[in-house]
Amino acid sequence: GAVVSQHPSRVICKSGTSVKIECRSLDFQATTMFWYRQFPKQSLMLMATSNEGSKATYEQGVEKDKFLINHASLTLSTLTVTSAHPEDSSFYICSAFGHANTGELFFGEGSRLTVL
Amino acid sequence: DQQVKQNSPSLSVQEGRISILNCDYTNSMFDYFLWYKKYPAEGPTFLISISSIKDKNEDGRFTVFLNKSAKHLSLHIVPSQPGDSAVYFCAASATSGSRLTFGEGTQLTVNP
Repeated sequence: GAVVSQHPSRVICKSGTSVKIECRSLDFQATTMFWYRQFPKQSLMLMATSNEGSKATYEQGVEKDKFLINHASLTLSTLTVTSAHPEDSSFYICSAFGHANTGELFFGEGSRLTVL
Repeated sequence: DQQVKQNSPSLSVQEGRISILNCDYTNSMFDYFLWYKKYPAEGPTFLISISSIKDKNEDGRFTVFLNKSAKHLSLHIVPSQPGDSAVYFCAASATSGSRLTFGEGTQLTVNP
């Protein structure tokens, strides 16, 4: 099946710094990738839809200047958490649809961000 | 507005028995439904899906049932195994390949 890989899996940073998380589709091209955030014991909340070659579409309540998304190629999308604060600590997960819009969304392994 | 709801945050069953996870939705535009399994600190993995033209889809130990009139779907796992212990999310979309809306998840624990 389609494989989506995220890096890093865990990152700890100081408050005020920026952190970049990469999401790669390993064996397929993804014109669209999705970024989710999961708080403990809560559902996956869609943050934004990343579109290759164009601006990302952000969900209501998600600050686009805070969470910068770049989708520069068909296999890579990046999420940068700018000026991170402790409340940004969370589990961030990217995803992409597998081949030919099968409806199966494949997820990366997730990235645990801890802001001190 | 929670369009996809999993009302049971947790479920505990004995190994070998059937696990039934339930999911309700409110948006009548949803016509494609999926179940994902998630372990802690990992991304979700796809389990099984069903489109609105069907009322049942089976894959090995996993069967998903869809009741469109009740806007309800369920995932049956039989026989349940300890390795099935995880959080299960149901998800829905208006068309295959479009954005998904997830439920809150149900923590399944299968006891040996």
